[in-house]
Amino acid sequence: QQPVQSPQAVILREGEDAVINCSSSKALYSVHWYRQKHGEAPVFLMILLKGGEQKGHEKISASFNEKKQQSSLYLTASQLSYSGTYFCGTVLSSGSARQLTFGSGTQLTVLP
Amino acid sequence: NAGVTQTPKFQVLKTGQSMTLQCAQDMNHEYMSWYRQDPGMGLRLIHYSVGAGITDQGEVPNGYNVSRSTTEDFPLRLLSAAPSQTSVYFCASKRLTTEAFFGQGTRLTVV
Repeated sequence: QQPVQSPQAVILREGEDAVINCSSSKALYSVHWYRQKHGEAPVFLMILLKGGEQKGHEKISASFNEKKQQSSLYLTASQLSYSGTYFCGTVLSSGSARQLTFGSGTQLTVLP
Repeated sequence: NAGVTQTPKFQVLKTGQSMTLQCAQDMNHEYMSWYRQDPGMGLRLIHYSVGAGITDQGEVPNGYNVSRSTTEDFPLRLLSAAPSQTSVYFCASKRLTTEAFFGQGTRLTVV
C-alpha cells in the first residue's frame, strides 16, 4: 500500500520554508524520508518509528502522527542545495514482510 | 564497509535477451529490495526479501525473478527483456528499525 504525498511540486525562494506531507490509509510501523537529485540514488534524511523514536540529519525535522498515519517533513530556511525530489516511504505495522514502499515524490525547487 | 554494491551501472539489452543485475551488501541486513524508477516517477517495488531463502513480490513483479541464497546477495533476473523494462533499477537493504541503504543504481535500456 503506497503512501500519498503532497504537494506534487513546490517552488521556493532561498530562505523560505516548506512542508511536505505523507499519509497512509493503513497503520504504520515507520516513515522514511529521502531526497534524490537527478541521476543519483536517494539519500536518507529521516526515519520516524512507531513509539516516537526518530533518527536523521540535524538540520532536518519531521513529525509522525501515529493516530492519523500522517507524517510531515519540515524544510526551514531553504538553501539552493535543498532542491531535488523528496520521497516518503512507509513500512506497515501489519503483516510479517515489513517491506518499504514509496510515494510518488515531491519536486522541490529552490530559487536564488 | 562498501555498503550496497550494484553492478552493472549501465546496460543496453536487445528485446528478448536475459540478464542478471547483481546486488550485494556487507552490513548483514535481513531486508533487501529491488525498485525501478521511471523518468519523473517514484520508486516502485519489484521484489523483496526478508532473509535468506525468503522472497516475495512487490508492486511490479512481472518479467522479473529473484532469489536470495545468502544474506549478502540479492540478484534480479530479467527473463526476456522488453522495452517497457527500460528504467533505472535500485537495490536497497535495511534492518527493520533502520533506514534503507541504496546502491548507486543500474541504468538499463532495452532496444
